[in-house]
Amino acid sequence: NAGVMQNPRHLVRRRGQEARLRCSPVKGHSHVYWYRQLPEEGLKFMVYLQKENIIDESGMPKERFSAEFPKEGPSILRIQQVVRGDSAAYFCASSTGTSFYNEQFFGPGTRLTVL
Amino acid sequence: DQQVKQNSPSLSVQEGRISILNCDYTNSMFDYFLWYKKYPAEGPTFLISISSIKDKNEDGRFTVFLNKSAKHLSLHIVPSQPGDSAVYFCAAEGTNAGKSTFGDGTTLTVKP
Repeated sequence: NAGVMQNPRHLVRRRGQEARLRCSPVKGHSHVYWYRQLPEEGLKFMVYLQKENIIDESGMPKERFSAEFPKEGPSILRIQQVVRGDSAAYFCASSTGTSFYNEQFFGPGTRLTVL
Repeated sequence: DQQVKQNSPSLSVQEGRISILNCDYTNSMFDYFLWYKKYPAEGPTFLISISSIKDKNEDGRFTVFLNKSAKHLSLHIVPSQPGDSAVYFCAAEGTNAGKSTFGDGTTLTVKP
């Protein structure tokens, strides 16, 4: 299966702990996007990365959230000192980035629950 | 300020009939629009898209119509099938291509 992979699929954390969400894009895709979906809401853009670069992080909360897409390995979304309001589904998507507009391929999501 | 709005949270249609899902946007800088379909516990899947230079794009049973002056687009599914039952998201991109702005989704139920 050459699709976008995310792990873990489900993550439970207590308040104050750290959450690390991983995303492996489609092979050959160099662009990664992270979205968050709160209950009963749509997907909200968080951050857009290329290899080793953050292109647009306008949707990222200013504190506690960070993302990276290293030269080797998966993209990581890191949430420090989680709070209950961080409970959501986090989706990663990837694209080739070879044209101005690109269809995005989504992973199955990581469902984060903060106790 | 929600820039992409799907005002109908849900839609129920009989199998074989037409499903029409609507989407409105406010940002005139948007010039590329996409529809995604999402099943429970899965990620969204791209369905169909349209550029602002067109007013219609068709792919099999799915047709997207764009009315730029009204800042409105719609997705038509004809004929609807039970397997089409899912959440449908409208998304828009503009000059910050890559950053898709999504609506809140419409849950479509197609009854056999």
